[in-house]
Amino acid sequence: GAVVSQHPSRVICKSGTSVKIECRSLDFQATTMFWYRQFPKKSLMLMATSNEGSKATYEQGVEKDKFLINHASLTLSTLTVTSAHPEDSSFYICSANLGLAGETQYFGPGTRLLVL
Amino acid sequence: AQSVTQPDIHITVSEGASLELRCNYSYGATPYLFWYVQSPGQGLQLLLKYFSGDTLVQGIKGFEAEFKRSQSSFNLRKPSVHWSDAAEYFCAVAPSFRNEKLTFGTGTRLTIIP
Repeated sequence: GAVVSQHPSRVICKSGTSVKIECRSLDFQATTMFWYRQFPKKSLMLMATSNEGSKATYEQGVEKDKFLINHASLTLSTLTVTSAHPEDSSFYICSANLGLAGETQYFGPGTRLLVL
Repeated sequence: AQSVTQPDIHITVSEGASLELRCNYSYGATPYLFWYVQSPGQGLQLLLKYFSGDTLVQGIKGFEAEFKRSQSSFNLRKPSVHWSDAAEYFCAVAPSFRNEKLTFGTGTRLTIIP
């Protein structure tokens, strides 16, 4: 089956620094990638949708200057949390699909971010 | 706007017993419905999905779900649970056949006791 990886699996950073999270589709080319945020005991909330070679589409309420998304190739999308603050601490999950009708989204294992 | 409700935050079931996890959705058009399972350290895995046709959908790991339009429900069932089924289960709805912009429920944590 299709595999999506994320790196790092967990990261701790100081407040004010930036953190980059990578999402890779290992055995398929992902036309579309999605970034979700999951709070403890809460649902996954879609942050943005990115298509290879174009600007990401952010959901309402998500600061695009805060959460920079780049989808430079068909196998890699990155999420950069800029000037991170403790309230940005969360579990970030990416998913990818082929962009075909009815195609399943394949999810990465997630990245735990802790901002001190 | 679409929404998904999973009324049960936590369910405990004895190993070998049957299981039903509830999911109710709100969406104006034909819903595209999914059940995912999340285990620690692993990505969400698709158990099954419903797009159209037979309202009883079979999935992986012995799970099935039934779409009931009149009740706006898509409950997940398994006749006999195994200890390995302990995980977090999420119901989700998508607005299009291309499975974009999933809206998730808040999840149900399943605990299995011997």
